[in-house]
Amino acid sequence: KNEVEQSPQNLTAQEGEFITINCSYSVGISALHWLQQHPGGGIVSLFMLSSGKKKHGRLIATINIQEKHSSLHITASHPRDSAVYICAVASYGKLTFGQGTILTVHP
Amino acid sequence: DTAVSQTPKYLVTQMGNDKSIKCEQNLGHDTMYWYKQDSKKFLKIMFSYNNKELIINETVPNRFSPKSPDKAHLNLHINSLELGDSAVYFCASSQVQGTFGEQYFGPGTRLTVT
Repeated sequence: KNEVEQSPQNLTAQEGEFITINCSYSVGISALHWLQQHPGGGIVSLFMLSSGKKKHGRLIATINIQEKHSSLHITASHPRDSAVYICAVASYGKLTFGQGTILTVHP
Repeated sequence: DTAVSQTPKYLVTQMGNDKSIKCEQNLGHDTMYWYKQDSKKFLKIMFSYNNKELIINETVPNRFSPKSPDKAHLNLHINSLELGDSAVYFCASSQVQGTFGEQYFGPGTRLTVT
């Protein structure tokens, strides 16, 4: 079992829908990162959080340290949100990645 | 201005060759990283340098040798290339080292070994 598990692996939505991507981890962490990888391959950091909730535009990230779980929400999804979303946890000097969630938003 | 740049973007070479990938960041960050993304798109950290000092070496074969001439540059040299080295290699930097700080990624170098 991987230390970092994401669900779902694939997600298809219609434009305007509310989207949730989940990340569960099994180790104590100092921080959790959400990354976005565009179809062209570039990777962008969306959030780094160690507690609570962060919001940036239509994106919201939450983390529950006790339950070892984080969620990434996208409100009013748009086709340009189509990408791979990757969760990564920083723990004991290591950064471990989830397998990614492929999101496709149709117009 | 590009924050983290890598060269080359594509690299096609034969087994047994030696090749280098260069990385430069102009963000003034203290920490730089190399990541490998395999054919299944799975990312894995290879190395981390903080102020030119090696911090993390994640069980990477000795054929891979990072070199940091100054804190703005972290190059990756690969000896005796093997088919399994084919992947996309990402350089990244961050200001904070302990929690891996917010990561700024380069565009990636797609290495194909034939």
